[in-house]
Amino acid sequence: NAGVMQNPRHLVRRRGQEARLRCSPMKGHSHVYWYRQLPEEGLKFMVYLQKENIIDESGMPKERFSAEFPKEGPSILRIQQVVRGDSAAYFCASSPGSGPESSYEQYFGPGTRLTVT
Amino acid sequence: DAKTTQPTSMDCAEGRAANLPCNHSTISGNEYVYWYRQIHSQGPQYIIHGLKNNETNEMASLIITEDRKSSTLILPHATLRDTAVYYCSAKYSGAGSYQLTFGKGTKLSVIP
Repeated sequence: NAGVMQNPRHLVRRRGQEARLRCSPMKGHSHVYWYRQLPEEGLKFMVYLQKENIIDESGMPKERFSAEFPKEGPSILRIQQVVRGDSAAYFCASSPGSGPESSYEQYFGPGTRLTVT
Repeated sequence: DAKTTQPTSMDCAEGRAANLPCNHSTISGNEYVYWYRQIHSQGPQYIIHGLKNNETNEMASLIITEDRKSSTLILPHATLRDTAVYYCSAKYSGAGSYQLTFGKGTKLSVIP
């Protein structure tokens, strides 16, 4: 039973380019969460999605960032016109439900490390 | 979510118990204490959580003081693979509680 998969593991982009980060949840999980971890800082929630729906994007920057979780295929976190401050590790997690257990039944992927040059 | 305070780093000898403290003096009655860890270059991993009573699972034990203002995560027999950053979080467990947020945590180094 494969865990949460993220690709690419490492991504280098020049300032102004677009970054696309992919996340495939665990089998049977229909809830996906994206987090960002800046160097030497803790984890910050960005967005929570279910299939074809954005449930909570309160942690997402208002500009340049978007996320989707289509009916078929992985969830995508898209960053347009990247800047150096976007350099971070981006983690995706999935859970089987959104009830109280979602606080601790989130399984994380290995992350994508984005470097903006 | 209540603010938590953890030491920046700790060392532990291999095979000994690792006791990681966490202060959460402003915790409210319906907030749980959660522990996660992050091994270098990996995603966070859930360890344990509790409300009032002490909890134990296959990974660790969680001791919560009677006034709930602090807790201790215990790894009974630390191994080198337990070297990681450990995060303590105090948060409500219910609808909308999926937003995990961690501070800088405690960097635990298990020494041979």
